Formats: sequence, C-alpha cells, structure tokens
Amino acid sequence: GAVVSQHPSWVICKSGTSVKIECRSLDFQATTMFWYRQFPKQSLMLMATSNEGSKATYEQGVEKDKFLINHASLTLSTLTVTSAHPEDSSFYICSVSLQLYNEQFFGPGTRLTVL
Amino acid sequence: GNSVTQMEGPVTLSEEAFLTINCTYTATGYPSLFWYVQYPGEGLQLLLKATKADDKGSNKGFEATYRKETTSFHLEKGSVQVSDSAVYFCAPPSGAQKLVFGQGTRLTINP
Repeated sequence: GAVVSQHPSWVICKSGTSVKIECRSLDFQATTMFWYRQFPKQSLMLMATSNEGSKATYEQGVEKDKFLINHASLTLSTLTVTSAHPEDSSFYICSVSLQLYNEQFFGPGTRLTVL
Repeated sequence: GNSVTQMEGPVTLSEEAFLTINCTYTATGYPSLFWYVQYPGEGLQLLLKATKADDKGSNKGFEATYRKETTSFHLEKGSVQVSDSAVYFCAPPSGAQKLVFGQGTRLTINP
C-alpha cells in the first residue's frame, strides 16, 4: 500500500494567522487526494477533493476562501487555513486515492489548535 | 448514491468478550467494502476489506463477511483485547473514490 505523511503533526497558532498543512504521498504518485476534518469524538467530514493540476472540489458548506487547497505536484497537496479562528481547531486528515489498490490511504492527521 | 448505516456506540466490553459491530449499506452493483480503525490521537488505518460478495476480510483477529443478500458487512472478533479500544468506521461502498464516513463506533475494552 501507500505511505502518506502529514506535516506538521500538530500546530498551535494565534487567531487571525494562517496555517499550512502538507500531505505527501511518499511512494506513489497521486492525482487525487482528499481532505477531511474531524471534531472530537465525531466522524470524519470530507472537506474537499484535491486534484493535481486543477482546482479542488469542495463539499457543500466548506468555505473555499477559508480552506485553500493546492495540489501542485503528484506527491503533495497542501491545505491552508486562512485567518484561523478558535472554531477552526480540529483534527485534519488527508488521504491518497490509488486506483491501483482500489482504496484510499490515510495520513496520520494534523491537530490544529487556534488560540 | 451509496450509503452506510453503522451501529451506534459507544460500546464497552470486558477483555476476551465477543465483539460484533453491525454495518449495512446500500450500493449500486457490488463494490468493495472496508472497515477502518482509528486509535486514540491517530489517523485512520485500514483494518480489513472485502472486494466481492461472499469474501471474508480478516486482520488482527477481526473478520467481516461481505453478504450481498443482506447488504451487510458486520465486524466481528472472538476475543477482544484492551488494545482494541478505538473508533471503528465502516466505509461506504467505494474504492478509490470519495468516501463519506458514517459516525463510527467507539469501542472501549476494560481489563
């Protein structure tokens, strides 16, 4: 299977600042990656589909200008939380979609805390 | 579209107890089915999968059989351990496509 990394694993920032989270596919090229958000003791909520070389597809209710996604290469997608506020504090998880294995592979997650 | 209904938690069991977590789905065709597990503070890991009807996925003592007649993919383990405490997600019928997760089942195993 694929190995997916995320960086950083945790981050604390002040309200109003922007935070960038990286998701890397270490051993496969991935044209499609997904970004999820998880609140404490809740399920994963799909935020957007990240497509290499084109715009991300956002789920209903997710603010595009708030959560900027860039999939500039076949191994890297980034999620930038702009002008972060305490309500953006959450666990953000990415996944890599591989048709070869007909499944998704998940990163370890990034815990964001906005003070 | 495809959907999944998963047994609500939380579930609390004693060590060595038998575990069943129910999962039923609706789907077009016969897609692959997955169970994911999330240990405290971590991301998701694939626990097991079944790619066609009547397949049995198994891993770490867990099993799930893809039953198309009942559209179910229940997760079972004969003797749970404290280390099995985690949240379990039955993933909607999918492959590499977009996944929309159910609520998950939080499992706590007491020694």
